[in-house]
Amino acid sequence: DTGVSQNPRHKITKRGQNVTFRCDPISEHNRLYWYRQTLGQGPEFLTYFQNEAQLEKSRLLSDRFSAERPKGSFSTLEIQRTEQGDSAMYLCASSPPGENEQFFGPGTRLTVL
Amino acid sequence: AQKVTQAQTEISVVEKEDVTLDCVYETRDTTYYLFWYKQPPSGELVFLIRRNSFDEQNEISGRYSWNFQKSTSSFNFTITASQVVDSAVYFCALSIYGGSQGNLIFGKGTKLSVKP
Repeated sequence: DTGVSQNPRHKITKRGQNVTFRCDPISEHNRLYWYRQTLGQGPEFLTYFQNEAQLEKSRLLSDRFSAERPKGSFSTLEIQRTEQGDSAMYLCASSPPGENEQFFGPGTRLTVL
Repeated sequence: AQKVTQAQTEISVVEKEDVTLDCVYETRDTTYYLFWYKQPPSGELVFLIRRNSFDEQNEISGRYSWNFQKSTSSFNFTITASQVVDSAVYFCALSIYGGSQGNLIFGKGTKLSVKP
């Protein structure tokens, strides 16, 4: 049994570089969510997919951020021209059809130097 | 707007003590869900319980129990006979029923330290 997986687990980059994270949801979960968590805070919603359609984007998701879920399976989150304020844990979660519990992956910790 | 408040930032108890984590939520919607998640030091959020707004029946699961009161907009979580392994950050979250998203709105979390 595999849960939600995320890669890489850690990413250190220099300001201005682009980074891409991957999330593999639990098999047959049609909904996929991205959240961002900074130190001492709860996760904050970024965006949501139902199958391959991106249905919701938070105002936190600036135009430097883009997310895709091309075949309704895995998803990628790309941050262009990273800034130090982007340093955070990026969490992915998935939900099965008809349910609203979200199951989270281990997260990708991004550090922007 | 929706909001979740966890007023307790940190709690420290000695093993075997009971501890209650408070959660107060705000929403104008009449149909919603409430959740508790646990985030151990490893970082992965673990789902503990979900409650919908029409079900105020309290629940007990082993050493865990939850007290949902719509009249006070509270959804408190109690750990009985705490153990060192309960040490973690606990998050309360709210989700609005309907619409296309169902995204979770989290509180800031309560860090629980259980000392031997």
